[in-house]
Amino acid sequence: AQTVTQSQPEMSVQEAETVTLSCTYDTSESDYYLFWYKQPPSRQMILVIRQEAYKQQNATENRFSVNFQKAAKSFSLKISDSQLGDAAMYFCAYRRGIIIQGAQKLVFGQGTRLTINP
Amino acid sequence: GAGVSQSPSNKVTEKGKDVELRCDPISGHTALYWYRQSLGQGLEFLIYFQGNSAPDKSGLPSDRFSAERTGGSVSTLTIQRTQQEDSAVYLCASSIIAGGSYEQYFGPGTRLTVT
Repeated sequence: AQTVTQSQPEMSVQEAETVTLSCTYDTSESDYYLFWYKQPPSRQMILVIRQEAYKQQNATENRFSVNFQKAAKSFSLKISDSQLGDAAMYFCAYRRGIIIQGAQKLVFGQGTRLTINP
Repeated sequence: GAGVSQSPSNKVTEKGKDVELRCDPISGHTALYWYRQSLGQGLEFLIYFQGNSAPDKSGLPSDRFSAERTGGSVSTLTIQRTQQEDSAVYLCASSIIAGGSYEQYFGPGTRLTVT
């Protein structure tokens, strides 16, 4: 079974600075996707960024970027120029890439609560 | 267009009662997922529907939990004889198709409190 681990229950950063959230995962599969989701107090899970395992290039989305280390099974999220609106719970998630019955479920880490200090 | 909607937003029920939670996926999305978010267990998969295929019920924690999806659209998650450990936020998500990099879009969830 696949597992996802986020070792930082809480993180805080000053507004406009950079913060990195850590995530490691365990899998024996070679084809998979990794995601970072943001969950504000409204409870709505919002996709921040995705990474296909077969791609060597790290994904970027504006101020958000990842450091994907496939061999080390590490997938960290870097938030640059942190803004007050970035405050939320952040979840790292894994999903298998093979299309078979039941294969599309997301496996989540425990989450990291990010606080932005003004 | 409209996103995934869930109702009710909050539900308080007495131990032993049955509850029904509703999910309206994004129109045209063939895949639908239910997840549960609780303090003790984190976010966990419950059940998955894809088109007309048999649902994947592998995440349901007990036979008190069941779900159906009518007409390939709206889904209802039913919890019978609720227990206090069922207290959690129940999240529904849908995607245009299963697999690939297709994003799962989440609803705002239903917070269930069993007293």
